Amino acid sequence: EPEVTQTPSHQVTQMGQEVILRCVPISNHLYFYWYRQILGQKVEFLVSFYNNEISEKSEIFDDQFSVERPDGSNFTLKIRSTKLEDSAMYFCASSFGAQTETQYFGPGTRLLVL
Amino acid sequence: SQQGEEDPQALSIQEGENATMNCSYKTSINNLQWYRQNSGRGLVHLILIRSNEREKHSGRLRVTLDTSKKSSSLLITASRAADTASYFCATGVNNNDMRFGAGTRLTVKP
Repeated sequence: EPEVTQTPSHQVTQMGQEVILRCVPISNHLYFYWYRQILGQKVEFLVSFYNNEISEKSEIFDDQFSVERPDGSNFTLKIRSTKLEDSAMYFCASSFGAQTETQYFGPGTRLLVL
Repeated sequence: SQQGEEDPQALSIQEGENATMNCSYKTSINNLQWYRQNSGRGLVHLILIRSNEREKHSGRLRVTLDTSKKSSSLLITASRAADTASYFCATGVNNNDMRFGAGTRLTVKP
């Protein structure tokens, strides 16, 4: 069964450094998403992406964040200058249709900012 | 933005018992989805119920949706230790995102 994959599974970085989290969505899906989950807290929506542009973003997704689909398979989340509070689990998801369709989540990348 | 809120926050039952979790939301929705998350892992989709549906079944799972009360419930029958996880509802409104609640932490004791 096709699945969403994410790399790396864990990343440790120093405050102020840039990180890029990578995702490979399911191949025939058209909508892509990033969510984050701070330890012990709820899953929070960051951004949705369709047709090579951001379709929706939350208040969390400020200028420090950017997303890109650099080729036909990868979907990346970049954090330009990490802060301690960016430490969280970051989940990528994809769906074939819009939000009325099931979103399939990747296993997540655990980011730790020191 | 719209967000589901689950209750209870935590539920502990014996294997074989049924577990019921509830979700409430505030505004009109297009659909409501339930997900499971094992500790430290990704979210696994369980069921999607559309706003014009009232009940849906999948194996040992039964989901109901009451749009007049803006609530949904997830029933797991004949629970197993492997059902131990956090369960989240997520609501979709008109845009391309979903908003999750804080989840119900279910513990099934063998």
